[in-house]
Amino acid sequence: DQQVKQNSPSLSVQEGRISILNCDYTNSMFDYFLWYKKYPAEGPTFLISISSIKDKNEDGRFTVFLNKSAKHLSLHIVPSQPGDSAVYFCAARFGYGQNFVFGPGTRLSVLP
Amino acid sequence: EPEVTQTPSHQVTQMGQEVILRCVPISNHLYFYWYRQILGQKVEFLVSFYNNEISEKSEIFDDQFSVERPDGSNFTLKIRSTKLEDSAMYFCASNRGQGITEAFFGQGTRLTVV
Repeated sequence: DQQVKQNSPSLSVQEGRISILNCDYTNSMFDYFLWYKKYPAEGPTFLISISSIKDKNEDGRFTVFLNKSAKHLSLHIVPSQPGDSAVYFCAARFGYGQNFVFGPGTRLSVLP
Repeated sequence: EPEVTQTPSHQVTQMGQEVILRCVPISNHLYFYWYRQILGQKVEFLVSFYNNEISEKSEIFDDQFSVERPDGSNFTLKIRSTKLEDSAMYFCASNRGQGITEAFFGQGTRLTVV
């Protein structure tokens, strides 16, 4: 089951630079997308979401872009900070509820 | 800041035994969820619970699994006869309403079936 893919298992970025995390999906029925961040020994923490009626959503340093035709979304973090070092999960669903399909995650390391 | 708490943090059980994982959701939340993450794999949705009944469940949530809100604060996941492949991190989550998509997760319970 590869409905949601995060093809980069890891990413390293210098502090202050932009981090771009990518996510691709195969199910064109997906209409809502989330990004979660996860630190070791903690549960996922919600970061930002986007509905399929939008192509961009911004919250402080975090921006999510959605390209429906390419079935691709990306999370931009700018400027990146060492505290952003975590595993980032992309998740998608259609309809209502919490039956999100998660990607495998990308481990981001922000180097001081 | 209110948070979802899960106990125990790590549970070891023998194959075939019943196990109950416990969660205390955030107090004013109405929707409760269980997810699991097998080591090295994706986070997977198991079940949604609202108004004392299951509102949604995945294919993973078969007859071996059950959920309950035995009192006003706890939310439990029971696995009746554990299998080796049930070994995973189990996350409880909650939120205030179905229209609110982001859920607040607990820190997880690591279940190891031996």
